[in-house]
Amino acid sequence: DADVTQTPRNRITKTGKRIMLECSQTKGHDRMYWYRQDPGLGLRLIYYSFDVKDINKGEISDGYSVSRQAQAKFSLSLESAIPNQTALYFCATSPTNSGDNEQFFGPGTRLTVL
Amino acid sequence: GENVEQHPSTLSVQEGDSAVIKCTYSDSASNYFPWYKQELGKRPQLIIDIRSNVGEKKDQRIAVTLNKTAKHFSLHITETQPEDSAVYFCAATLNAGNMLTFGGGTRLMVKP
Repeated sequence: DADVTQTPRNRITKTGKRIMLECSQTKGHDRMYWYRQDPGLGLRLIYYSFDVKDINKGEISDGYSVSRQAQAKFSLSLESAIPNQTALYFCATSPTNSGDNEQFFGPGTRLTVL
Repeated sequence: GENVEQHPSTLSVQEGDSAVIKCTYSDSASNYFPWYKQELGKRPQLIIDIRSNVGEKKDQRIAVTLNKTAKHFSLHITETQPEDSAVYFCAATLNAGNMLTFGGGTRLMVKP
């Protein structure tokens, strides 16, 4: 089945370290997103990309960067991790056709910054 | 930009009772409102959505209503079952296919 996958699934790191979270999809979707989930705050958009050459900041992009290496791959980087970036991170995809609206989420990456 | 508020943050009901979760949005131009369900340890998944040209939509035990004038929409779950226990998120956007603004989530607990 076509799917959205994320690696790693869990990561513990120290303050100041550079971290990369990777997302891959076999759904053939052009649009990809990175969200962060914190208790009581829902899902907040970090960055999104509507195609390979398109990168856009979301609601909370400070401290993060992204790379869209191919249609199927969208990576999120924390250049210098800090403890308040401890959260559950989700990648999501959606098709370009505006009549097909569902966003498909990956399994999530739980990041802990000590 | 859009702002979505969701209430309550937690909801406990007895099995068989109904549950209602409410969301308000700020941008009157928003026209697509999906609901996602996230079971414990799992990824969010779409369960139902509604567009602004429709006032109500049903799918078996779940329904969503939309009041454009008041800028609020609600999720209704009837005859709740233990497997309905999860976190539910509402969202809003201008034009389906664009990025979503999510509410803060509601943790629903259905007691057997």
